[in-house]
Amino acid sequence: GQNIDQPTEMTATEGAIVQINCTYQTSGFNGLFWYQQHAGEAPTFLSYNVLDGLEEKGRFSSFLSRSKGYSYLLLKELQMKDSASYLCAFMDSNYQLIWGAGTKLIIKP
Amino acid sequence: GAVVSQHPSWVICKSGTSVKIECRSLDFQATTMFWYRQFPKQSLMLMATSNEGSKATYEQGVEKDKFLINHASLTLSTLTVTSAHPEDSSFYICSARDPHQQRETQYFGPGTRLLVL
Repeated sequence: GQNIDQPTEMTATEGAIVQINCTYQTSGFNGLFWYQQHAGEAPTFLSYNVLDGLEEKGRFSSFLSRSKGYSYLLLKELQMKDSASYLCAFMDSNYQLIWGAGTKLIIKP
Repeated sequence: GAVVSQHPSWVICKSGTSVKIECRSLDFQATTMFWYRQFPKQSLMLMATSNEGSKATYEQGVEKDKFLINHASLTLSTLTVTSAHPEDSSFYICSARDPHQQRETQYFGPGTRLLVL
């Protein structure tokens, strides 16, 4: 079967670093995506990993381990505007996205 | 690049009426578009996959006669909610896949909030 799991909510402090984990199970895999969704808005694309390792893009980095079915999104130098839900999703063998429920990130001053 | 628009942003309608939502890829041709629904504080739920020139593929539990999808061109897909009822009130979001990008990234429109009274 297929499933994907991420924490429901996390809290972090402005200026700090936070890591949002995502675990998944699937027989077919064509990459893992991270999206950011602010309240009341549509998701926006953050990152895509299809090979193992760390992809860095500014303050955001995404990591993938295919053998462990594990990914994380790392946010550095947190800003208040980073308060949002972060959705992970993997693409299965049919190129369909399987979405996690999202992690609501709360940033405190 | 990879901009997707949706229209309208907000719809308030009476129960029993039909509502059409448009999704356009502005700077690329999208052979595949997706329609999602999202209830408050819940994750995205895929409703259907829309392929240009062919019938949409609906997810289990989604009524194809109630949610009519048309993908008549490479830049436009429409979702029509027929005979809308209050329980259809939700945030409807479309996304499009740019076939010229190697990765299968979906780019989302801004979403349409539907309120059925």
